[in-house]
Amino acid sequence: DTEVTQTPKHLVMGMTNKKSLKCEQHMGHRAMYWYKQKAKKPPELMFVYSYEKLSINESVPSRFSPECPNSSLLNLHLHALQPEDSALYLCASSQEPSYEQYFGPGTRLTVT
Amino acid sequence: AQTVTQSQPEMSVQEAETVTLSCTYDTSESDYYLFWYKQPPSRQMILVIRQEAYKQQNATENRFSVNFQKAAKSFSLKISDSQLGDAAMYFCAYRYMIYNQGGKLIFGQGTELSVKP
Repeated sequence: DTEVTQTPKHLVMGMTNKKSLKCEQHMGHRAMYWYKQKAKKPPELMFVYSYEKLSINESVPSRFSPECPNSSLLNLHLHALQPEDSALYLCASSQEPSYEQYFGPGTRLTVT
Repeated sequence: AQTVTQSQPEMSVQEAETVTLSCTYDTSESDYYLFWYKQPPSRQMILVIRQEAYKQQNATENRFSVNFQKAAKSFSLKISDSQLGDAAMYFCAYRYMIYNQGGKLIFGQGTELSVKP
């Protein structure tokens, strides 16, 4: 079983809203990732959590705030986003940081 | 810096035929992994196949196989007996490790594959 789940599937939010994206995996994976993907473009890495600790932040603006409450759950808190932040947000996990990554279905975010 | 190049933005194949997607990469590392991911219009990114750089044997997964040429830094994907469900965006990816931080995937720009019935 290589299932990574993400909620919600779609999210529309205003620039003054605060919302959160959720990612969950029950495969015992110890690394989890957030990516941002624009249409017809490859995913861009945002954050990496390794053993529940933030290990990589790709210079992401502070209006995106990741959180890893436990080894199965990864959140992305959103605040004061801009319209250019509209994109597909993908979560991925891997058994270890050095193993292949498995992706969730994504959350389609629209910022109005 | 590591880079991944997919020179074919779009490809088309007839159902049941064979198609090859190209990928080249640049790295100074000797130990790394390469992947092909598939992203259908439903958008979920699916791992198709992986290749470990230290293995000379080309990876194969059912109808999918790779031609890994390490010296030429080339990693092409061959899809045999193409099916309508193979229509998708295909991304080539290179993974390298950052000490104590984990693995990073570098993606190519993607090749959009259409399958004609």
